[in-house]
Amino acid sequence: SQQGEEDPQALSIQEGENATMNCSYKTSINNLQWYRQNSGRGLVHLILIRSNEREKHSGRLRVTLDTSKKSSSLLITASRAADTASYFCATDTGTYKYIFGTGTRLKVLA
Amino acid sequence: KAGVTQTPRYLIKTRGQQVTLSCSPISGHRSVSWYQQTPGQGLQFLFEYFSETQRNKGNFPGRFSGRQFSNSRSEMNVSTLELGDSALYLCASSLNDRVGEKLFFGSGTQLSVL
Repeated sequence: SQQGEEDPQALSIQEGENATMNCSYKTSINNLQWYRQNSGRGLVHLILIRSNEREKHSGRLRVTLDTSKKSSSLLITASRAADTASYFCATDTGTYKYIFGTGTRLKVLA
Repeated sequence: KAGVTQTPRYLIKTRGQQVTLSCSPISGHRSVSWYQQTPGQGLQFLFEYFSETQRNKGNFPGRFSGRQFSNSRSEMNVSTLELGDSALYLCASSLNDRVGEKLFFGSGTQLSVL
């Protein structure tokens, strides 16, 4: 399967803590994107990092990319209950097809 | 600007029937892609269309087909439904005059096959 793997599958933290989730992929990429999905709904784009970038920030989000290890991590700082959702990485291989990871289910407890 | 609209939101069919799902992209977006989401397999790519042309196709049987109209609206069709086709079908649009654009997703069509 071409699908990426995410780790952990599920994560439960207290409000105010940081949440880190990891993504590994299998092929060369143009860029890697992170998406959030609230229960049973569509995905919302969070952040995009290009293959020649190593780190990117957006608000409380920090993404890193290590192309030599074919891996990325998403850090959400100072988590809020509203951050409860599933998070997916998606890799763009330049073929108009995005390969999504298996997802991390994050639960932030108030 | 209106978002990506998918209809219907929910659908219940029986095995052997066929189904057509509809997707209206964000105004001005010319690329539409479809994904199947199931608890066991995650998000799987079905196909992508740009200006009425299919540019890529995932590893699904020929029972799954799609098309795009001149106004960029897209439909996907599944014939001879099987129980395993029960899933959330997501449509996404992007400007996509080049690779690497972010995707804007609709809320999906939840298909249940009985």
